[in-house]
Amino acid sequence: GAVVSQHPSWVICKSGTSVKIECRSLDFQATTMFWYRQFPKQSLMLMATSNEGSKATYEQGVEKDKFLINHASLTLSTLTVTSAHPEDSSFYICSANYPGTLVEQYFGPGTRLTVT
Amino acid sequence: GENVEQHPSTLSVQEGDSAVIKCTYSDSASNYFPWYKQELGKRPQLIIDIRSNVGEKKDQRIAVTLNKTAKHFSLHITETQPEDSAVYFCAARSPGNQFYFGTGTSLTVIP
Repeated sequence: GAVVSQHPSWVICKSGTSVKIECRSLDFQATTMFWYRQFPKQSLMLMATSNEGSKATYEQGVEKDKFLINHASLTLSTLTVTSAHPEDSSFYICSANYPGTLVEQYFGPGTRLTVT
Repeated sequence: GENVEQHPSTLSVQEGDSAVIKCTYSDSASNYFPWYKQELGKRPQLIIDIRSNVGEKKDQRIAVTLNKTAKHFSLHITETQPEDSAVYFCAARSPGNQFYFGTGTSLTVIP
């Protein structure tokens, strides 16, 4: 099946710094990618839809200036958590739509962010 | 946006028994309903899905039913095994291809 990777798999940063997470579709081109956040023992919450070549669409309640999304190519979307705070500590997962008539969604392995 | 509710939040069954998890959705335009199994710290794994033009789908011990009129869908696992223990999420896909997830069900199969 299609492969989506994320980098890094885990990161620890100090409060006030910024962290960039990459999401790559390895064997297909994804015009649309999605970013989710998952707190411990909770569900995946859709943060934003990342569209190649245009601005991301953010879900209600998600701060676009804090969570910067760039989808510069058909295989790469990045999420930058700016001025991170401990409450931003979470599991961040991306996904990509596989193009074609059967629009399936493939998840990356996730990135564990810990802000100290 | 779409709102997906899922019940129960926790479920314990004896090995060999059946498990049923139910979800409701709010947007009648949602057209695809996948179920995911997630183990701790890992990505969700698709286990079965159903499209809005189908009422039921089965894959070995797993089945999903969809009632479009009532806007609810259910996951049925028969002959449960300890390895079925995990957190299960339902999801609904909006016409814009966004996926909205239910709150999750922690399933424990007791040997």
